[in-house]
Amino acid sequence: AQSVTQLDSQVPVFEEAPVELRCNYSSSVSVYLFWYVQYPNQGLQLLLKYLSGSTLVKGINGFEAEFNKSQTSFHLRKPSVHISDTAEYFCAVTLSGNTPLVFGKGTRLSVIA
Amino acid sequence: EAGVVQSPRYKIIEKKQPVAFWCNPISGHNTLYWYRQNLGQGPELLIRYENEEAVDDSQLPKDRFSAERLKGVDSTLKIQPAELGDSAVYLCASSPGGGSEKLFFGSGTQLSVL
Repeated sequence: AQSVTQLDSQVPVFEEAPVELRCNYSSSVSVYLFWYVQYPNQGLQLLLKYLSGSTLVKGINGFEAEFNKSQTSFHLRKPSVHISDTAEYFCAVTLSGNTPLVFGKGTRLSVIA
Repeated sequence: EAGVVQSPRYKIIEKKQPVAFWCNPISGHNTLYWYRQNLGQGPELLIRYENEEAVDDSQLPKDRFSAERLKGVDSTLKIQPAELGDSAVYLCASSPGGGSEKLFFGSGTQLSVL
């Protein structure tokens, strides 16, 4: 079965600094990969997804992620964060086809003014 | 277009009481999911519906949890009786097809069992 590991439970970063949130997955077959954001007291919102094609995926709010098959990673990056990026970020994986998402435990990004 | 609607937004009950959550998916979305999100954790699938059929309920604790999706649109998730460990956020999501590539989440119901 597939699984996701988010290596950092909390990431504090100063405003306008770059950030990387790490995600590694485990699967013996091809996968689809996702990053979701959850603002306080809200549901999950899709940031970006990798299904196939270019390994560099651009999403909303200036975020991007790179799929690295050899390292089984899908790290999320943003070159300059804002206070409004403070939220919980979840990496998720699903097998190609009709299977549900499996989520990581999340990384809490705190942007400091 | 309206998103996935869930109610109530918050629910506080005493243990051993019953509780129900309601979800209205995006119009035209055949697939509906119920996830549970414990504090500090990622969401975990409880049950998945394709129209009115539960196609994956392997993670649903069937001794106290039940769900239904009559007519393949709205869905209700019930817990009876609730236990302290059931305190969590219950998320509903829907997608237009069977895959998870286009998943939309509701805001969730935050359950507190005292």
